[in-house]
Amino acid sequence: DTAVSQTPKYLVTQMGNDKSIKCEQNLGHDTMYWYKQDSKKFLKIMFSYNNKELIINETVPNRFSPKSPDKAHLNLHINSLELGDSAVYFCASSYQGANQPQHFGDGTRLSIL
Amino acid sequence: DQQVKQNSPSLSVQEGRISILNCDYTNSMFDYFLWYKKYPAEGPTFLISISSIKDKNEDGRFTVFLNKSAKHLSLHIVPSQPGDSAVYFCAVRDSGTYKYIFGTGTRLKVLA
Repeated sequence: DTAVSQTPKYLVTQMGNDKSIKCEQNLGHDTMYWYKQDSKKFLKIMFSYNNKELIINETVPNRFSPKSPDKAHLNLHINSLELGDSAVYFCASSYQGANQPQHFGDGTRLSIL
Repeated sequence: DQQVKQNSPSLSVQEGRISILNCDYTNSMFDYFLWYKKYPAEGPTFLISISSIKDKNEDGRFTVFLNKSAKHLSLHIVPSQPGDSAVYFCAVRDSGTYKYIFGTGTRLKVLA
């Protein structure tokens, strides 16, 4: 099936740990995104990559480091996890510039103990 | 400072009636407007969109209206069905940065 898939779906870990979330899309899109949905359900852009190049980098702590090995993958690594990092993280992809929508993965629920 | 607002956090509508969801934005640089539907434990799913050169786009039971002078976007669902019960997000794209900005969502409940 063509889709945006992200793993894991759930991630429970302790404060101070380092974790990664992976995202892959097979829609042929050239742009991928990471969003954070906080406790108020607000979806906020964190990063965007176009053809493996970083094009959007919002005010996000540098503990968060995205990596795009190719245009079909965008992984998110988080160092020294803090309680405030608990949220649902969504990966998305689209064609940049064209009037076409973003397609989202099902999210990774990160819980920090 | 929210650039995209959905002022109604929730809405209940009787099955068969019209559902109207609203969204207001502040920046005239936005050029593409979208509605997404979200079920629990799933990602947002694209529903319908409209570019800034149009004022209406229709797809089956779903119609999106854009009022650029009022900076207002709305989604009409008619007739509403119980399966439409979900959270609806409006989103806008900034024509300069290609950044997408989402509203806070409206939870629609369609009562059978």
